[in-house]
Amino acid sequence: SQQGEEDPQALSIQEGENATMNCSYKTSINNLQWYRQNSGRGLVHLILIRSNEREKHSGRLRVTLDTSKKSSSLLITASRAADTASYFCATDRSGSARQLTFGSGTQLTVLP
Amino acid sequence: DTGVSQDPRHKITKRGQNVTFRCDPISEHNRLYWYRQTLGQGPEFLTYFQNEAQLEKSRLLSDRFSAERPKGSFSTLEIQRTEQGDSAMYLCASSWDSENIQYFGAGTRLSVL
Repeated sequence: SQQGEEDPQALSIQEGENATMNCSYKTSINNLQWYRQNSGRGLVHLILIRSNEREKHSGRLRVTLDTSKKSSSLLITASRAADTASYFCATDRSGSARQLTFGSGTQLTVLP
Repeated sequence: DTGVSQDPRHKITKRGQNVTFRCDPISEHNRLYWYRQTLGQGPEFLTYFQNEAQLEKSRLLSDRFSAERPKGSFSTLEIQRTEQGDSAMYLCASSWDSENIQYFGAGTRLSVL
């Protein structure tokens, strides 16, 4: 079953704007990861945040984690048309056999 | 090292037929995962291997599904007596690190007619 929900389900912005996606989850976690998927392709890991971290940056990506609210957000700054893809959060749950549990994803469209 | 590879990329079959998919993980990765993804949804966990041992199976994995990783390298996923509801993208991933960052193949898209 899906661990959590992502919001919004779809997001359309202009090139150069920032894109923010949110993720909620249900159980205790070791870490939370964000992945990107281009249409019809496999997933690519973007960034990981540990349960004891609150914010992390990587290039144009910024991720936050609020374990008290069981939520995370991914911010993509200065978006480009090449950022058009589906974005998924995935949780590595405490005590799990190391499977990742994915959200339902946000479809991001960046218009040139 | 070319990453995780899956074969075939696409499979069309008739209901009731058996199909088998193959996954070759990144060579030094000891953990291998199978996921299923339907349109508009995130991947759903099916099963997990550490080396050659199958350590966990999802309740989604009915008796018609079987997976193997005989020598701790490549893995196969077989679906017997396929049903239309089996139509999906089947994704394989591998990992090795303590933080469980997973590397995905491009997937096998199964269409059951």
